[in-house]
Amino acid sequence: DTGVSQDPRHKITKRGQNVTFRCDPISEHNRLYWYRQTLGQGPEFLTYFQNEAQLEKSRLLSDRFSAERPKGSFSTLEIQRTEQGDSAMYLCARGDNEQFFGPGTRLTVL
Amino acid sequence: GQNIDQPTEMTATEGAIVQINCTYQTSGFNGLFWYQQHAGEAPTFLSYNVLDGLEEKGRFSSFLSRSKGYSYLLLKELQMKDSASYLCAVRGIYSGAGSYQLTFGKGTKLSVIP
Repeated sequence: DTGVSQDPRHKITKRGQNVTFRCDPISEHNRLYWYRQTLGQGPEFLTYFQNEAQLEKSRLLSDRFSAERPKGSFSTLEIQRTEQGDSAMYLCARGDNEQFFGPGTRLTVL
Repeated sequence: GQNIDQPTEMTATEGAIVQINCTYQTSGFNGLFWYQQHAGEAPTFLSYNVLDGLEEKGRFSSFLSRSKGYSYLLLKELQMKDSASYLCAVRGIYSGAGSYQLTFGKGTKLSVIP
């Protein structure tokens, strides 16, 4: 148990729809990260929160992506107007020196 | 920028020892990590090196040479359940925003055969 839960575990949507994923660190932790992983690749950094502040965003995070962490505990990642290229595993991680990943949300855009 | 290279695939026999290499070129360095990832699952943390040398943790050991931009993960007494992808990741220079984001290689798929 890595102390991170994610919901949903799987999401299938049609192109153009909006989707939202949730990440819950079991214990509140200052640092929270979102990564995206496509088949045959390692995870790629998307964004980082320290408490409720979003302090860093990757160039991968287009205008269609938005992330929040309103109370410094759980976080949400929303993708608007989904495209087939958004199909991937979306991973949330907590930690400082060592990052511990949640089980991920696998998104399939048809 | 950051560039991390590791072999795409490796095969080894149950009970044997296997070494998975990782080379990196980064604009800054503040630690190297190894993760194990079974198919369809999230990465799980294995090891962390920030200083040169060998870190041993049970059947798994990880080595780092900062001057050579090189690390390896050593798996001993291989078991069938060790069949997985092994991801090498580098943490760059502290960004000032507090981020410890990791840059991952593409992973090495290890197949353990009887």
